[in-house]
Amino acid sequence: DTGVSQNPRHKITKRGQNVTFRCDPISEHNRLYWYRQTLGQGPEFLTYFQNEAQLEKSRLLSDRFSAERPKGSFSTLEIQRTEQGDSAMYLCASTAGAEAFFGQGTRLTVV
Amino acid sequence: DAKTTQPTSMDCAEGRAANLPCNHSTISGNEYVYWYRQIHSQGPQYIIHGLKNNETNEMASLIITEDRKSSTLILPHATLRDTAVYYCIVRALGGSQGNLIFGKGTKLSVKP
Repeated sequence: DTGVSQNPRHKITKRGQNVTFRCDPISEHNRLYWYRQTLGQGPEFLTYFQNEAQLEKSRLLSDRFSAERPKGSFSTLEIQRTEQGDSAMYLCASTAGAEAFFGQGTRLTVV
Repeated sequence: DAKTTQPTSMDCAEGRAANLPCNHSTISGNEYVYWYRQIHSQGPQYIIHGLKNNETNEMASLIITEDRKSSTLILPHATLRDTAVYYCIVRALGGSQGNLIFGKGTKLSVKP
């Protein structure tokens, strides 16, 4: 499978715990995006990388959230001290041009 | 905020054409119109995009009005598998403006 891969697909965590998600983009795609989607809403932009540089962050990305893309390949999104409001689907997308390809997402449930 | 407005939901009979409208009256000259769809529990899937000319691919056709303030996505022969939420997005290519701003989209239900 050469599409965007996200792991894990599902994560259940207790409030206050830290979680980390991984995104493997399509090989040689230089741009990578993270989105968050809650029930009934469209995906909301969180942050964007061009190669290893994080070029833009949404105000939705509080200081409990951090994203990295070492060496411009895979990316990780970490949420520290999770809250129930963090429960959502976290989507990753990559692109090298006009068309963005999305992964299947990681569904986070904070209990 | 999303720069587009779409109907909340639409129905279409299987085998008929589905015409999904989108208004983007504040679109800028360097912004493209993009369409994505999201089938339940999956990530969004790219369908088509255009600047000012009509576009067609194996999935759909995109008709953009001459003033570029609205567009229509056409699925020529809708099937049950086309049931999804369809998002119309305007975006500029390149640079930090490249992220996609999703609205709530149109929930298309294709019925037998």
